[in-house]
Amino acid sequence: QSVLTQPPSVSGTPGQRVTISCSGSSSNIGSSNVNWFQQLPGTAPKPLIYFNNQRPSGVPDRFSGSKSGTSASLAISGLQSEDEADYYCGTWDEGLNAYVFGTGTKVTVL
Amino acid sequence: EVQLVESGGGLVQPGRSLRLSCSASGFTFHDYAMHWVRQGPGKGLEWVSGISWNSHNIAYADSVRGRFTISRDNADNSLYLQMNSLKPEGTAFYYCVKDMWAGVGAPRDWGQGTLVTVSS
Repeated sequence: QSVLTQPPSVSGTPGQRVTISCSGSSSNIGSSNVNWFQQLPGTAPKPLIYFNNQRPSGVPDRFSGSKSGTSASLAISGLQSEDEADYYCGTWDEGLNAYVFGTGTKVTVL
Repeated sequence: EVQLVESGGGLVQPGRSLRLSCSASGFTFHDYAMHWVRQGPGKGLEWVSGISWNSHNIAYADSVRGRFTISRDNADNSLYLQMNSLKPEGTAFYYCVKDMWAGVGAPRDWGQGTLVTVSS
C-alpha cells in the first residue's frame, strides 16, 4: 500500500492542460524532494522531473512540477497523443527509511 | 549514456531462491548509489532496496527485509539482488535503477528490467 496518493486517471484533449496531484505527509514529501517518472506502454519508467521542478535534458518544457507542503503536482500543458502513459511521483520517506512511489496516474488523450 | 542491463530472471517455485544481476556502463559506477524497483503485472512501482556507493548504507522495503539481500561489486560495475524464500506476490519485472547521488535517496535512470515469475 503506497503512502503517496495520486488520482487513478486523468484525461484531456490535444492541446489541453492537465495536472496530476501527489499527496503525502511530513515524513516524505514534506521533508524530501519529489521526482516524477513517465512510463509509456510496455516500456521501463524514465525520469521526467527531479528536485520537485527540474527537467532532465530532452524532456519537453510542456512538463512542469511543483511542490507545496506535503503535496506535489505534475502539469502537462499542450497535451499530445504521445503523452499517453502512466505517471508516478516518488520521494524518500524519512520515517520508513525507504523510497516510496505514488499509486500512479494513467493519462489518456481523448 | 547510462546503460543498465538486468539478468537472472526466470521461473522459480515458491520458497526457492534467485539471484539477479545488473551490469552498468556509461557512467562511473562507484560514484553512485543503486536501487532495485519492481512492478507486478498490471500494478504500480514498488521500491525494493537501495545501496550507497560504498555499500555502507543499505535499505530495504518491509515486504522483503530479511529475505532479500542487495550487494554491489564496484570493480566489476555490477549490482546484485539475492532473493530467498520467494513468494508468488514477488512475481514482477525487477528494474535496476541508478541514483542521482552517492547516497541512497533519489533513483533516476532505469534499466529495461528482468521478469521474475514465482509459481509452482
